[in-house]
Amino acid sequence: GAGVSQSPSNKVTEKGKDVELRCDPISGHTALYWYRQSLGQGLEFLIYFQGNSAPDKSGLPSDRFSAERTGGSVSTLTIQRTQQEDSAVYLCASSLVGSGGSSNEQFFGPGTRLTVL
Amino acid sequence: KNQVEQSPQSLIILEGKNCTLQCNYTVSPFSNLRWYKQDTGRGPVSLTIMTFSENTKSNGRYTATLDADTKQSSLHITASQLSDSASYICVVSRNTGFQKLVFGTGTRLLVSP
Repeated sequence: GAGVSQSPSNKVTEKGKDVELRCDPISGHTALYWYRQSLGQGLEFLIYFQGNSAPDKSGLPSDRFSAERTGGSVSTLTIQRTQQEDSAVYLCASSLVGSGGSSNEQFFGPGTRLTVL
Repeated sequence: KNQVEQSPQSLIILEGKNCTLQCNYTVSPFSNLRWYKQDTGRGPVSLTIMTFSENTKSNGRYTATLDADTKQSSLHITASQLSDSASYICVVSRNTGFQKLVFGTGTRLLVSP
């Protein structure tokens, strides 16, 4: 596709359930990022994948959060035993490469709005 | 602490008027500063990207400035249109091996007819 896509667009779940959020990056982009945007807060970095390298998980808020990227393309963010404070919009972005520089623009998907009841 | 602060939090202007949004940051090591526009229910879209050596960058009716000494940036919108109604987010990239972005909380702009 032309841009980053995410699914589902909305997810409502009950506290304690597990959820999986999917991200399809732009074809050919080696770097993929997950962010969380809580109401009234700035985007918060969660995890970064670059090619086949070990991901940078430094932003994951707890061990209930995990992510994987299969075949260097599609990524899945999994939240286990969801809590109400997990309610937020989860955004995925991809860039051609991950190294610093003004040319490595991140392109964002539309996000998944997660509501934990 | 790496932080990006924006002001005002929200702003209402009449269509056709100009406005300026402010951004202050305390992020290091600094790589570049970006302004994003985020429409409701959509992901952020990049408007401008400026490196340390750039003072100003324009994209149509959007002009961003950067003062790396005072760690301040502004986004000026000229001749506003209804479609400019959105959140504008200032983002600073840290030069940490990969472009780790630090996001401001955004300014919510409403352009009124």
